Amino acid sequence: DADVTQTPRNRITKTGKRIMLECSQTKGHDRMYWYRQDPGLGLRLIYYSFDVKDINKGEISDGYSVSRQAQAKFSLSLESAIPNQTALYFCATRGRVTNEQFFGPGTRLTVL
Amino acid sequence: GIQVEQSPPDLILQEGANSTLRCNFSDSVNNLQWFHQNPWGQLINLFYIPSGTKQNGRLSATTVATERYSLLYISSSQTTDSGVYFCAVASGRTDSWGKLQFGAGTQVVVTP
Repeated sequence: DADVTQTPRNRITKTGKRIMLECSQTKGHDRMYWYRQDPGLGLRLIYYSFDVKDINKGEISDGYSVSRQAQAKFSLSLESAIPNQTALYFCATRGRVTNEQFFGPGTRLTVL
Repeated sequence: GIQVEQSPPDLILQEGANSTLRCNFSDSVNNLQWFHQNPWGQLINLFYIPSGTKQNGRLSATTVATERYSLLYISSSQTTDSGVYFCAVASGRTDSWGKLQFGAGTQVVVTP
C-alpha cells in the first residue's frame, strides 16, 4: 500500500463549486504539505502543517483553506473554485529524522 | 527566498546515451531532492542528497553544498527515463519548516 494517498485522483468541477481534496499518510510523519503544479512549471507551496494545531500559509494560499483532522490526514479545500485553480495538486509529508519529503500521487483538478 | 536554477531546460537523448543535469541554488540548504515526474504526472523520489554522492542503478547524484550545486547523472538512458526531472531545495538558514523550493525542471526525451 502507498504511504501517502490522495483522493480523488482526478476531478472535474464547475466554477463556484466547493471542493475538497484529501490526503492520508501511514508514515507517522508530523509535517504535511500541500503543493500546486501548473503546466510546465515546478511545484509551489499552498499550506503546511506541523501538527493538528499548527497550520501555516505558503506562497499561494489565497482561495484555499486546509484542515488537519488528525496527524495522518490533511485536507485542502477550494471554497469557490475558479478556472485558474485548474492544476495538479500534491500532498507531501516529512518526518523528524531527516528533511526528506515524500509525495502522494497527485490530484488532477479541472475547473470549468 | 532561495533561488533554484536547473539546466538544461530540455534534453533529447538517444537510447544508451549518458547525460548530466545541473541544479544551482542560491543559499545553504538542509534538504535537496531530485525527482522524476513521469508522463502520468507522478513524482518519483530519486535522491535525497543535501550533500555528498549517491548512486541508485543507472542514476547517480552529487551535491557540492559549499559551491551550491548538484548534479544528476543518467547513464545508459532508456525510453522509460523520459519525463521531467526536478531539483528541489529547502533553505538551511531561513526556514525550519522544510518548505521545498522547486526548480523549473529539465524535460528529458529519450528516443529509441
